[in-house]
Amino acid sequence: EVQLVESGGGLVQPGGSLRLSCVASGFTISSYWMSWVRQAPGKGLEWVASIKQDGREKFYVDSVKGRFTISRDTAQNSLYLQMNSLRAEDTALYYCTRGNSGIVYWGQGALVTVSS
Amino acid sequence: SYVLTQPPSVSVAPGETARISCGGNNIGSKSVHWYQKKPGHAPVAVIYYDTDRPPGIPERFSGSNSGNTATLTITRVEAGDEADYYCQVWDSSSEHVVFGGGTKLTVL
Repeated sequence: EVQLVESGGGLVQPGGSLRLSCVASGFTISSYWMSWVRQAPGKGLEWVASIKQDGREKFYVDSVKGRFTISRDTAQNSLYLQMNSLRAEDTALYYCTRGNSGIVYWGQGALVTVSS
Repeated sequence: SYVLTQPPSVSVAPGETARISCGGNNIGSKSVHWYQKKPGHAPVAVIYYDTDRPPGIPERFSGSNSGNTATLTITRVEAGDEADYYCQVWDSSSEHVVFGGGTKLTVL
């Protein structure tokens, strides 16, 4: 059974950093694109970042480029999102997903709140 | 950057047919995916690759994609279908995943 379990969310001050983790089970992350998608309170779904199967090609929405870094650890079968220079507008529920299109598998989400 | 345009809301009576549009420049040349999002739950893919239903999705859900518009059609709408629906594509030119703004389906 495919499962994605996120952790690492929390309350952080503007300008601060946070690292989200996503442990995958039931499949090998190196065989799939993996992504992060977020939903801010009262807003729609927004793609944040994706990493290709090769682990080298990474893609980001313009608003997080240079601040966020997507990475993975194949030994731990885990996906990460390092978030630096956080802003109030980064407040959202962050979902880890398998794939970047036609996404069938989603985690339960990790809540990130950026506030002073 | 590529933009997907959805109507903010669609209302339909139970048992009727709901159609939710997703407009984009030459979207017919792309693969369109549709997600159902209910409060407190992760999104659920209801249609992928324009017309295919993931396992477990009722046949009442169907999709089409041509020209500048993709459409999600839900027949015999039920109260449980009330949710936000999002279309999504991969834009190869910008190498970005793009979501539409979402459509709130209200079952009257």
